[in-house]
Amino acid sequence: DGGITQSPKYLFRKEGQNVTLSCEQNLNHDAMYWYRQDPGQGLRLIYYSQIVNDFQKGDIAEGYSVSREKKESFPLTVTSAQKNPTAFYLCASSISANTEAFFGQGTRLTVV
Amino acid sequence: AQSVSQHNHHVILSEAASLELGCNYSYGGTVNLFWYVQYPGQHLQLLLKYFSGDPLVKGIKGFEAEFIKSKFSFNLRKPSVQWSDTAEYFCAVNMNRDDKIIFGKGTRLHILP
Repeated sequence: DGGITQSPKYLFRKEGQNVTLSCEQNLNHDAMYWYRQDPGQGLRLIYYSQIVNDFQKGDIAEGYSVSREKKESFPLTVTSAQKNPTAFYLCASSISANTEAFFGQGTRLTVV
Repeated sequence: AQSVSQHNHHVILSEAASLELGCNYSYGGTVNLFWYVQYPGQHLQLLLKYFSGDPLVKGIKGFEAEFIKSKFSFNLRKPSVQWSDTAEYFCAVNMNRDDKIIFGKGTRLHILP
């Protein structure tokens, strides 16, 4: 089946540890995105990438890092510098930068 | 700064009532507009989109939205809601053929059976 796969669905980490969230797509989409969803805040853009080996900061990039070494993969690292990392993280992709985005099922990260 | 506003954070309706959810954006240039829905426990999925042409667009499950350029609005409507429409709805905008999509804060819709 074509789609976007995020893993794991639930993730627990201790405070101070870096953690990497996986996002893979087999839709042959050029653009990929990471959003953070918090209750009452909607979706806030963390990072996005239009093509391989290129990415840009979104509105809330501090404390996060990404890489785009392959077209199908866009992993997100939540670093210890992120002050409030507990959240629901959504990965998305689109054919090109301004077309509709398709979303993965999300990863719920809890930092204790 | 570019932004998307959804005025209703939480809406409660009875079945068969009519629905209108507001969405406004702050940008005077060319826009692509979207409404997404997130049913409980499910992926975000696209309800409908507007890129150009007829400003009244129809989506899945009987939803429609109207783009009013002069009001910078893209309100979502449904003439008669069902219990299964209970979900969170997000308006999203791509501004000036930019390379990112900005989302509103969402409206949580609860339909009473």
